[in-house]
Amino acid sequence: KNQVEQSPQSLIILEGKNCTLQCNYTVSPFSNLRWYKQDTGRGPVSLTIMTFSENTKSNGRYTATLDADTKQSSLHITASQLSDSASYICVVTFYGGSQGNLIFGKGTKLSVKP
Amino acid sequence: NAGVMQNPRHLVRRRGQEARLRCSPMKGHSHVYWYRQLPEEGLKFMVYLQKENIIDESGMPKERFSAEFPKEGPSILRIQQVVRGDSAAYFCASSPQTHSSGNTIYFGEGSWLTVV
Repeated sequence: KNQVEQSPQSLIILEGKNCTLQCNYTVSPFSNLRWYKQDTGRGPVSLTIMTFSENTKSNGRYTATLDADTKQSSLHITASQLSDSASYICVVTFYGGSQGNLIFGKGTKLSVKP
Repeated sequence: NAGVMQNPRHLVRRRGQEARLRCSPMKGHSHVYWYRQLPEEGLKFMVYLQKENIIDESGMPKERFSAEFPKEGPSILRIQQVVRGDSAAYFCASSPQTHSSGNTIYFGEGSWLTVV
């Protein structure tokens, strides 16, 4: 069964600190992996997209890594800011089948405190 | 997010009424997707449409739900005879081509349906 599991479910950190969010997936055949940021009451916004051959991709203070062998990805946030408080969603796409082939994780809710 | 327009942002319906949610994709995008998000849950795929065609509706409940994307005008997600369990956030997304090829898909701000 195609699944995406994220951990931790929630996380509280102090402003300025770094943090790492985890994503494990059992999606096959793998196409790409995306990280989205979703502010409360808003739609998801794309942070990164990685294909099978990409190990790391950065977007400002956000750095995503991908290990296709172990089927794990992480999102590292550097020097956190209050505006980073949001849910971070890992999304995995698989080849074939229908076009409804984006599998969403439940997200990690990050709270950055001053 | 800019560009994918959803309305209404918030909608309250009594049980048994109809809900219509509208989505205008980003300019130049011909692929539209609808997702539902329950509280504390991940987004769940509902339907994928191109202009005048339903490509994949495998995530749509068999009854009461329908979607269209006419040649002119926005895509519409229609829920007939709403029940309390339909209360959720409904997100529309669009892409210029199929997202399977790694294209970014852009989400709207969502429509929050509350059934009372």
